[in-house]
Amino acid sequence: DAGVIQSPRHEVTEMGQEVTLRCKPISGHNSLFWYRQTMMRGLELLIYFNNNVPIDDSGMPEDRFSAKMPNASFSTLKIQPSEPRDSAVYFCASKRDRQETQYFGPGTRLLVL
Amino acid sequence: SQKIEQNSEALNIQEGKTATLTCNYTNYSPAYLQWYRQDPGRGPVFLLLIRENEKEKRKERLKVTFDTTLKQSLFHITASQPADSATYLCADLSGAGSYQLTFGKGTKLSVIP
Repeated sequence: DAGVIQSPRHEVTEMGQEVTLRCKPISGHNSLFWYRQTMMRGLELLIYFNNNVPIDDSGMPEDRFSAKMPNASFSTLKIQPSEPRDSAVYFCASKRDRQETQYFGPGTRLLVL
Repeated sequence: SQKIEQNSEALNIQEGKTATLTCNYTNYSPAYLQWYRQDPGRGPVFLLLIRENEKEKRKERLKVTFDTTLKQSLFHITASQPADSATYLCADLSGAGSYQLTFGKGTKLSVIP
């Protein structure tokens, strides 16, 4: 079974541009998470979806960030407009209900110049 | 709010020795405490989970202990190998059915041949 798939793996953009990160969770997993990892703050939860519905978005830094999950096999995280402080590695993770373990994708390394 | 602290940013040990990594939590006792491994350029990978009422868990060369009095979990790798070199993350998952994982910043382990 394929793991969590994220694209792109690397993204370099200029300040002010829109950035869209994509995630395909593991088939059969109904919980999806977006995380951000930086040296300063470590790994932080941004948003959690369950059965395609956003349950907790309290970690989303500000209105420039938005996330969608139009169906069980696809989610996007959008930053508009992007800023240099958004530079980080963004991970998507998924799991089944009643399962404690989360399965992480390879991450998207974002650099905003 | 709960904080997960991994006091050592880096740990260097000689091949064949036992590596011991420390994870402390500041507030309530986690219902589940998880350990993940992260290699450079990759997402975290689940290793072990220990429940609040468990003192110790083992998996091959890995051992995790949980001391609620000290508010601490220890992660041991016996007979360490250079291939064990990675960053190890501790995470708190509180409450059955809870989804929120709070991660420590990790300890980078280097096993020297």
